[in-house]
Amino acid sequence: DIVMTQSPDSLAVSLGERATINCKSSQSVLHSSNNKKYLAWYQQKPGQPPKLLIYWASTRESGVPDRFSGSGSGTDFTFTISSLQAEDVAVYYCQQYYITPPTFGQGTKVEIK
Amino acid sequence: EVQLVESGGGLVEPGGSLRLSCVVSGFSFNDAWMSWVRQAPGKGLEWVGRIKKKSDGGTTDYAAPVKGRFLISRDDSKNTLYLQMNSLKTEDTAKYYCATDGNSGWYEGWFDPWGQGTLVTVSS
Repeated sequence: DIVMTQSPDSLAVSLGERATINCKSSQSVLHSSNNKKYLAWYQQKPGQPPKLLIYWASTRESGVPDRFSGSGSGTDFTFTISSLQAEDVAVYYCQQYYITPPTFGQGTKVEIK
Repeated sequence: EVQLVESGGGLVEPGGSLRLSCVVSGFSFNDAWMSWVRQAPGKGLEWVGRIKKKSDGGTTDYAAPVKGRFLISRDDSKNTLYLQMNSLKTEDTAKYYCATDGNSGWYEGWFDPWGQGTLVTVSS
C-alpha cells in the first residue's frame, strides 16, 4: 500500500494569511503514460462528510474558491490556502488514487490563530 | 441534485452482522463506480472497498482489514449500494460513508460526492 504522510498535523494561521500543508507519498503517484499525478485533496468540517477540493494534484473542483491550490511532484505535494478565511477552519486530507487501495493522509487540522 | 443517503447503522455486538444501504439519486448509478469509506470517531479516513459498474465487470475490491468479512453489492434497479458487514469487531466502529469514485461513466479515483454517513458502533 502507498502510505501518505501529511505535515504538520495541525496549524494555526491568522485570518488573511497563507496556510500550507505538505503531503508525501511512500512511492510516486505520477503516471508516466499520461504525466498525471494521482492525488486529491479534501476538506472536512465538523459533522460533515469530506468535500473534494482538488484532483490531479492541482485541478480545482468546480465551485472551489481560487484561494485553494495544489502542486507537487511525484511524491511530494503541497496544498495552499492563499488567504485564510474563517470558513476554512477544517481538517484537510490528501488521498492517492494511483493504486488500489486508495489511501489517505492522516489529516491536518487548520485553525485560526 | 446529487444525493447519496446511507442507512442501516446502529449498535451491534462483536461477532454480529449489519447491512448498510446507500440510495443514490441525481446521477446515473449504473454508470458509477461506488466505494465505502469509514472514519472511526476522532480519526482519519479509511477506504473500505469498492464495486465497479456492471459494464466494467461489477467486481469488488476490499481493504485488507475487512477482506473476507465485508461484502459490497449493488442493485442498479434500485439505485442502491450495499455493505454487508459480518464478524464485526470493535475496531470496525466508525461512521461509514458511501461515495462515488467515478460517476461520469468511467473510473476517476477521487471521491465525489459523499453521503452524510451512518454510524456503526460495535460494542458489548
